Amino acid sequence: SQKIEQNSEALNIQEGKTATLTCNYTNYSPAYLQWYRQDPGRGPVFLLLIRENEKEKRKERLKVTFDTTLKQSLFHITASQPADSATYLCAPINNAGNMLTFGGGTRLMVKP
Amino acid sequence: EAGVAQSPRYKIIEKRQSVAFWCNPISGHATLYWYQQILGQGPKLLIQFQNNGVVDDSQLPKDRFSAERLKGVDSTLKIQPAKLEDSAVYLCASSGQFTGQETQYFGPGTRLLVL
Repeated sequence: SQKIEQNSEALNIQEGKTATLTCNYTNYSPAYLQWYRQDPGRGPVFLLLIRENEKEKRKERLKVTFDTTLKQSLFHITASQPADSATYLCAPINNAGNMLTFGGGTRLMVKP
Repeated sequence: EAGVAQSPRYKIIEKRQSVAFWCNPISGHATLYWYQQILGQGPKLLIQFQNNGVVDDSQLPKDRFSAERLKGVDSTLKIQPAKLEDSAVYLCASSGQFTGQETQYFGPGTRLLVL
């Protein structure tokens, strides 16, 4: 069956360090992959989209990679700040524009 | 630009009762989504509309859940009868097109508690 897996354990890092979050998928070949941020009590907010033919995408302190061989996307936040503390969700999407579902999300805690 | 509006924000009902949620997407957005998010999990897509037609409702429990989007604008999601396991946040989102590349804009969600 199709699965999307994100590390369910919270990631705790020190301010200023780089946070790296993982999204793995199985039995699925997404054409795109979106990353969202979700704060408690709020809906997800879109951050970045990467296409299957793109290896890497950057936006300010954010970087996303997409490895179709490993079936994995990595999401990096450089020079992390306490304000980056949130849950980060990945969402693979197929060629027809259908979203399988969101991953379970990884909670990031950046300590000052 | 106004965001996605949802109401009510909170709802408490007893099992076997009925409940309805309302969503008003961003003006001009053709695609509307309803998600269920159980505590500690990612959002699960329930149904996706393109204008007033259903694109994907494969994960909608059709024996108790129904949704409509009359006139291709507002949408309502109904649960009848509710079960304890329906306790979750129900999120509505909209996007401009149905391509997969479009950003989805989410509303604040409706938190449902079934007792």
